[in-house]
Amino acid sequence: GENVEQHPSTLSVQEGDSAVIKCTYSDSASNYFPWYKQELGKRPQLIIDIRSNVGEKKDQRIAVTLNKTAKHFSLHITETQPEDSAVYFCAVPSGAGSYQLTFGKGTKLSVIP
Amino acid sequence: NAGVMQNPRHLVRRRGQEARLRCSPMKGHSHVYWYRQLPEEGLKFMVYLQKENIIDESGMPKERFSAEFPKEGPSILRIQQVVRGDSAAYFCASSPGTVPSNGYTFGSGTRLTVV
Repeated sequence: GENVEQHPSTLSVQEGDSAVIKCTYSDSASNYFPWYKQELGKRPQLIIDIRSNVGEKKDQRIAVTLNKTAKHFSLHITETQPEDSAVYFCAVPSGAGSYQLTFGKGTKLSVIP
Repeated sequence: NAGVMQNPRHLVRRRGQEARLRCSPMKGHSHVYWYRQLPEEGLKFMVYLQKENIIDESGMPKERFSAEFPKEGPSILRIQQVVRGDSAAYFCASSPGTVPSNGYTFGSGTRLTVV
């Protein structure tokens, strides 16, 4: 099955600095790569995703980059703000129908004011 | 559009009791997925259902757990004879088709505590 590794597990940055979280995956057939943000006690929310036909996608302060050859994709958050503090999860479709998502173990991001 | 609705939000059960978790998909969605999140971990797939059909239950524990999605009403995740290790957040998601092309939308989850 799909194996997803996410690093780092915790990340502290000063407000205004950038944060980068990286995920590697094992199945080269994967073609959809979402990132979820989960605040304490709340649901995971999709914040950005990318498909394998592009290498980068941006949405205001967040961006995702994809390297299909190396089988890794990264979340970039610029000009971090305290409200960015949360746990971030990457995920990769797995299983025969690709309807199942295999999640990374998460990165706890703390933005220090 | 009310989104994916789950209830109850919090559920406390004593060891040996039954837990029933409900999930109503978004309007127009007929595919439901259940995931479990243990404390300090990522989400793990449990089961995928369409109306009146279990499509993939490869992530379900072999015993005590069952799921259904009847023709009418919400999807139900049922855990019989709960144990402390069942304490977790259970999330469901829905999609209009087999492949959630725009990513899952999760419900708010049910946080099960077994005492």
